[in-house]
Amino acid sequence: QVQLQESGPGLVKPSETLSLTCTVSGGSISTYFWSWIRQPPGKGLEWIGYVHYSGSTSYNPSLKSRVSISVDTSKNQFSLKLSSVTAADTAVYYCARIGYDSSGSYPNAFDYWGQGTLVTV
Amino acid sequence: QSALTQPASVSGSPGQSITISCTGTSSDIGSYNYVSWYQQHPGKAPKLMIYDVSNRPSGVSNHFSGSKSGNTASLTISGLQAEDEADYYCSSYTTISTWVFGGGTKLTVL
Repeated sequence: QVQLQESGPGLVKPSETLSLTCTVSGGSISTYFWSWIRQPPGKGLEWIGYVHYSGSTSYNPSLKSRVSISVDTSKNQFSLKLSSVTAADTAVYYCARIGYDSSGSYPNAFDYWGQGTLVTV
Repeated sequence: QSALTQPASVSGSPGQSITISCTGTSSDIGSYNYVSWYQQHPGKAPKLMIYDVSNRPSGVSNHFSGSKSGNTASLTISGLQAEDEADYYCSSYTTISTWVFGGGTKLTVL
């Protein structure tokens, strides 16, 4: 059973950089796409971006200028950096795996999620 | 990219059926069958309930079903149960290789 666990500071000062790591256990980080998703208190889900195990990335256009997601296959981890944070970046941050469709070729849905970690700015 | 549009809330009595709509555009729902639905109970992580428009992951009850027509996807829950009370989110892949979520729908079981 694949498990994901977020880790990082729960408090970040305005204008600084938020840094979180997601550790994957029960399976290899290779082959799949891995994503960060956040949820401000009392609000809905917002997709932040994803990284493929090869290192290719895609980001939410509204956050693209401040976001960087990277992968470390040797540690079975991927990481999020969000720069120049403000109070609006206060949220529960989730990491998630993106599974593949029946052809095994196209990423299709967030099938495994971490428990989430609250980051307050 | 704009969030997909969902009703803020829906309600139903135990045993009834409800449908939650999720409206996007030709750049997301209308272009792909990679529409998924997530259930989120308070304080918990979202759980995948439907993927590829209408498929259920192993372990998800068959009283959850999904469909799509044009730019709108729908989640139907038949035979409502108390434990179905939760927030539900739709999601879709987009033509610019990103993902987008709906604003969420709060389901109340009366």
